[in-house]
Amino acid sequence: DAKTTQPPSMDCAEGRAANLPCNHSTISGNEYVYWYRQIHSQGPQYIIHGLKNNETNEMASLIITEDRKSSTLILPHATLRDTAVYYCIVRRNAGNNRKLIWGLGTSLAVNP
Amino acid sequence: GAGVSQSPSNKVTEKGKDVELRCDPISGHTALYWYRQSLGQGLEFLIYFQGNSAPDKSGLPSDRFSAERTGGSVSTLTIQRTQQEDSAVYLCASSPAGGPNYGYTFGSGTRLTVV
Repeated sequence: DAKTTQPPSMDCAEGRAANLPCNHSTISGNEYVYWYRQIHSQGPQYIIHGLKNNETNEMASLIITEDRKSSTLILPHATLRDTAVYYCIVRRNAGNNRKLIWGLGTSLAVNP
Repeated sequence: GAGVSQSPSNKVTEKGKDVELRCDPISGHTALYWYRQSLGQGLEFLIYFQGNSAPDKSGLPSDRFSAERTGGSVSTLTIQRTQQEDSAVYLCASSPAGGPNYGYTFGSGTRLTVV
């Protein structure tokens, strides 16, 4: 599975949009981009995933570049409860094993 | 249940003792994963169960680690002769079978401290 690169930390003002980048320049055609977040002392929480089209759900939007070598997770109106570590992961969905390879993520601090 | 349940939430054990960690996945989820997370680190894959298929044990760090999944539901991760480097949060996740359109649901984890 391809490796991802994320900034170690970011800050965002409450109520503003948080844009979290992720580079996955070695992504292959059948690999999906997944985003999870982990609030302190909790298990990770699934946010969103996509293959090549932009995706939106009630939590966030995912923008994937046309060459698929990078993506951005957008939290449109960040709140203090969005303070967490955000993980970008790419994963093949071929075969039975869908284990995820986790990096260190981006620690997002939402400030009042 | 409504979510993935793990027990105990915290476990302190003496070096050399055996421990058992339990995971109750979401009802109907056929895929179950165990990960561990050391302080300040990302998640490390341990083992994966999918239905009746042979589990993928490729992430188990040593033969002191083993896991079972009985009846396709509850799973137990066993660590024998615990060492201090086994101290970590052990996380269980489950997902429905099928294609790529499913994220995992994680439990809150078991924090294991080996003293």
